[in-house]
Amino acid sequence: DAGVIQSPRHEVTEMGQEVTLRCKPISGHNSLFWYRQTMMRGLELLIYFNNNVPIDDSGMPEDRFSAKMPNASFSTLKIQPSEPRDSAVYFCASRPSGAYEQYFGPGTRLTVT
Amino acid sequence: SQQGEEDPQALSIQEGENATMNCSYKTSINNLQWYRQNSGRGLVHLILIRSNEREKHSGRLRVTLDTSKKSSSLLITASRAADTASYFCATDGHDYKLSFGAGTTVTVRA
Repeated sequence: DAGVIQSPRHEVTEMGQEVTLRCKPISGHNSLFWYRQTMMRGLELLIYFNNNVPIDDSGMPEDRFSAKMPNASFSTLKIQPSEPRDSAVYFCASRPSGAYEQYFGPGTRLTVT
Repeated sequence: SQQGEEDPQALSIQEGENATMNCSYKTSINNLQWYRQNSGRGLVHLILIRSNEREKHSGRLRVTLDTSKKSSSLLITASRAADTASYFCATDGHDYKLSFGAGTTVTVRA
């Protein structure tokens, strides 16, 4: 049974470059969440989709961040332009309809130099 | 912003001992969940307790919830080296969004 898949697992980029993180949720799950984890701020919810529609993006730090979910099996989180303070581990999680628990991917460790 | 706060921040115990960690939160909740994160990995759901429940068990895990005090505790009995991880409480405030605490890092010494 495949879990949530994220790619890439590690990304190192220079300040100013565009970064795209990818997520494939568990098949049949209808909610998808993007989180960011840092030592300073802990685990923060960035955006939440339900049935491919963005429901709450209040956690997106600024306009440099955007997220899309073109279909039920794929989502992207884009940062353009990237800055050193964006360095963090980004997690994608999915949740089946009617359930409360979330299933997390392995994360993408982003380093912006 | 973080809703839950775990206590202690770190815990070191001997294999076979019990580990207890606490979580306090601020606002009304629908349920409270506990997750484990091994180093360099994603979070794994452990157990969920609803707001109308006071105690729940799952294997070696025991969770309590006191809504009047806005607090929860997670007890891991007979700890093993494999229990070494960070443990997070997460509150679900009726909107399906989870708000995570800062976590408790547990180290189980062999």
